[in-house]
Amino acid sequence: EPEVTQTPSHQVTQMGQEVILRCVPISNHLYFYWYRQILGQKVEFLVSFYNNEISEKSEIFDDQFSVERPDGSNFTLKIRSTKLEDSAMYFCASSTGGRGPGELFFGEGSRLTVL
Amino acid sequence: AQSVAQPEDQVNVAEGNPLTVKCTYSVSGNPYLFWYVQYPNRGLQFLLKYITGDNLVKGSYGFEAEFNKSQTSFHLKKPSALVSDSALYFCAVRPQAAGNKLTFGGGTRVLVKP
Repeated sequence: EPEVTQTPSHQVTQMGQEVILRCVPISNHLYFYWYRQILGQKVEFLVSFYNNEISEKSEIFDDQFSVERPDGSNFTLKIRSTKLEDSAMYFCASSTGGRGPGELFFGEGSRLTVL
Repeated sequence: AQSVAQPEDQVNVAEGNPLTVKCTYSVSGNPYLFWYVQYPNRGLQFLLKYITGDNLVKGSYGFEAEFNKSQTSFHLKKPSALVSDSALYFCAVRPQAAGNKLTFGGGTRVLVKP
């Protein structure tokens, strides 16, 4: 069964450092997403991406965050200068449609720890 | 803005007993509704979804959910719980009319005791 894969599974970084989280969505999916889950809290929407541009973003997704699809398979989330409060599990997801009823398929997550 | 409420942080049930996880939602217009399950240190796995039509939706692992428009609810149910059903369950909503943002509830931890 096709799946969304994420790397790294866990990254520890110093405050102020740049971090890039990588995702390989399911190959025939067109919509890509990043969500995050701070330990013990709800899953929060960060951004959605379609046709090589951001289609929607939350208030969390400020200028420190960026997304990119550098080639035909990868989808990345960059945090330019990490803060302590960026420590969370980051989930990538993909779907066949954006506004349609298709469910999102999630990766296993990348745990980011900012020290 | 859309929102989801899961009023119970944790549900405890004995193995073999029925399991219900509650969810209510708020959204403009008609909703698409979803249930996901998260096992420890794992990602979110899709269980089932409501699109339109029959209010009772059947999904993976014997789970089902009932859409109630008047009560804006989408409770998850399983007639006979298994120990392996112990996990974190998330309800999510997306409006049919606009946007592609999926909004999650806070999650309900299910503990099934043997």
